[in-house]
Amino acid sequence: KNEVEQSPQNLTAQEGEFITINCSYSVGISALHWLQQHPGGGIVSLFMLSSGKKKHGRLIATINIQEKHSSLHITASHPRDSAVYICAVAYSGNTPLVFGKGTRLSVIA
Amino acid sequence: DTGVSQDPRHKITKRGQNVTFRCDPISEHNRLYWYRQTLGQGPEFLTYFQNEAQLEKSRLLSDRFSAERPKGSFSTLEIQRTEQGDSAMYLCASSFIGAGYTFGSGTRLTVV
Repeated sequence: KNEVEQSPQNLTAQEGEFITINCSYSVGISALHWLQQHPGGGIVSLFMLSSGKKKHGRLIATINIQEKHSSLHITASHPRDSAVYICAVAYSGNTPLVFGKGTRLSVIA
Repeated sequence: DTGVSQDPRHKITKRGQNVTFRCDPISEHNRLYWYRQTLGQGPEFLTYFQNEAQLEKSRLLSDRFSAERPKGSFSTLEIQRTEQGDSAMYLCASSFIGAGYTFGSGTRLTVV
């Protein structure tokens, strides 16, 4: 059983829609990461969270430590947001990340 | 510094051949990680280094796999006697305490 669960696995949205991707994990962590992966494989780090909320442009990430749950929101979605979004957790310090399976997002114009 | 570099980007090899991949991390980062990603899955941990010391190896890393980071800078991942099941994207990442993780673009291996 994967220790990091993401939902949905696939998501198709119309341009401009508000998007939410969810991530839950099973045990205490030191940090949670949201990552973006485009076709071709390269992974870009979007957020690193240990509590609360972070915002960067149209992206917002929140985490609820008590409920072991995080969400990634995209406001005013655009076709260039189409990618796989991956949630990953670190159990302590800079130990190896444990990844979810990813959410494949397609934004249609 | 241009980030984490991986070479080659793509490798096609015949079953039974040996392959070696290289990762050049961000120079200030003391930790370096190798992950493997198959289609439709998230990356899975293989091994990681702090400076030149290999701290942990996953059970996924069979005896055919070996990784080194001889001077605490670049790292190599070698797969001996490749099998079709080794076909995957091999990702490298580096980190420093408090600095988060930076990923390379990966090496896509196809074993035919």
